[in-house]
Amino acid sequence: EIVMTQSPATLSVSPGESATLSCRASQSVISTLAWYQQKPGQSPRLLIYDASTRATGVPARFSGNGAGTEFTLTITSLQSEDFALYYCQQYNILPFTFGPGTKVDIK
Amino acid sequence: QVQLVQSGAEVKKPGASVKVSCKASGYRFTDYYIHWVRQAPGQGFEWMGWMHPNSGGTKFAQNFQDRVTMTRDTSTNTVYMELSRLRSDDTAVYFCARGGRRVSAPEDVWGRGTTVTVSS
Repeated sequence: EIVMTQSPATLSVSPGESATLSCRASQSVISTLAWYQQKPGQSPRLLIYDASTRATGVPARFSGNGAGTEFTLTITSLQSEDFALYYCQQYNILPFTFGPGTKVDIK
Repeated sequence: QVQLVQSGAEVKKPGASVKVSCKASGYRFTDYYIHWVRQAPGQGFEWMGWMHPNSGGTKFAQNFQDRVTMTRDTSTNTVYMELSRLRSDDTAVYFCARGGRRVSAPEDVWGRGTTVTVSS
């Protein structure tokens, strides 16, 4: 099973600033990497797939990068609605696995 | 719009089974994989398996292989996930999510989740 790790566990950011979240896979997942956002009591929302493609309706301030084992999600000019949990997921090899998440909270 | 509507919360005793439904609408049901993912309280996500509604084919994570069943009813565009021999650590929110037309695709639309509580 591919193990996904994320860093940092928590990221404190002021509104308007940028945030960069990291995700690492224990072996190459090529570019089959997704990022999800989850707010308390809600279902996950797909933000990025294939490592760098924004899902429908996702604002341009969200961008993904990386391939192989190292990936990043960058959020520029953080808005109040962006403070949430973010998870990465690989969907290259079964079982699909998720990282433990990064919480982006208000500084 | 694309939507997945799940059945309501369940409370079960250890050793019992639970069956959760997921009704799809807004797209061609037989074209897309349906995945099941669970989230224990305060925890991350655990992928359980997928079903392809057209063929009825399934694939499960090893952790669930001997306890999970996934079925579908194409007349009502509904997928079912049944988990047997429940334990207290099966207490979680169970999500169904639409995958892609191919296996290696992310889950782009999620149901609201079904809370399953296992308690004696």
